[in-house]
Amino acid sequence: RKEVEQDPGPFNVPEGATVAFNCTYSNSASQSFFWYRQDCRKEPKLLMSVYSSGNEDGRFTAQLNRASQYISLLIRDSKLSDSATYLCVVNSAGNNRKLIWGLGTSLAVNP
Amino acid sequence: DTEVTQTPKHLVMGMTNKKSLKCEQHMGHRAMYWYKQKAKKPPELMFVYSYEKLSINESVPSRFSPECPNSSLLNLHLHALQPEDSALYLCASSQVWGNGHYEQYVGPGTRLTVT
Repeated sequence: RKEVEQDPGPFNVPEGATVAFNCTYSNSASQSFFWYRQDCRKEPKLLMSVYSSGNEDGRFTAQLNRASQYISLLIRDSKLSDSATYLCVVNSAGNNRKLIWGLGTSLAVNP
Repeated sequence: DTEVTQTPKHLVMGMTNKKSLKCEQHMGHRAMYWYKQKAKKPPELMFVYSYEKLSINESVPSRFSPECPNSSLLNLHLHALQPEDSALYLCASSQVWGNGHYEQYVGPGTRLTVT
């Protein structure tokens, strides 16, 4: 089993749609969880950290389910500018500063 | 300011050249990272510096030599690279301590082509 697994997509959705990405991680001792966004030929940018209680930032909501070792990202009212690859990232249980990156989920928001 | 800067943006080098990549941050972060990213793949960790000391080397070939001259700067010295080393090289930084989340802020990268 891969340490961090994501559905690669691509997800093609119309503007205004709600889209959800899921991610599973293998090591129950992991403590830190993040979603990054990467545009084509650009660097990954931190979108949000994922907290145990769940957190929301505008149209974006992240949830963590430790029992199922599952992280999700919900995007409401999708915009064209949301088109990107979304990377699920989890810290290595043995070293907080070592991150394990998922392969990413590709999103295309269409007019 | 959550900015990590990297120079150069693009670099083309021959297999016998010696070049250096530079990274700078002024967020007071004491952990800095080098990643290599190939197309359609996630970033792959190369090195981690913590308090200016090398703390992780992910078995990177010696043709890549990192250096951390001070808490704001990180260099990656390149020598005798191979064409397969062509990639986007990303620098990142994070706090060493804090709320435990250690968010890493990633620089824009240097796109390296080895000919």
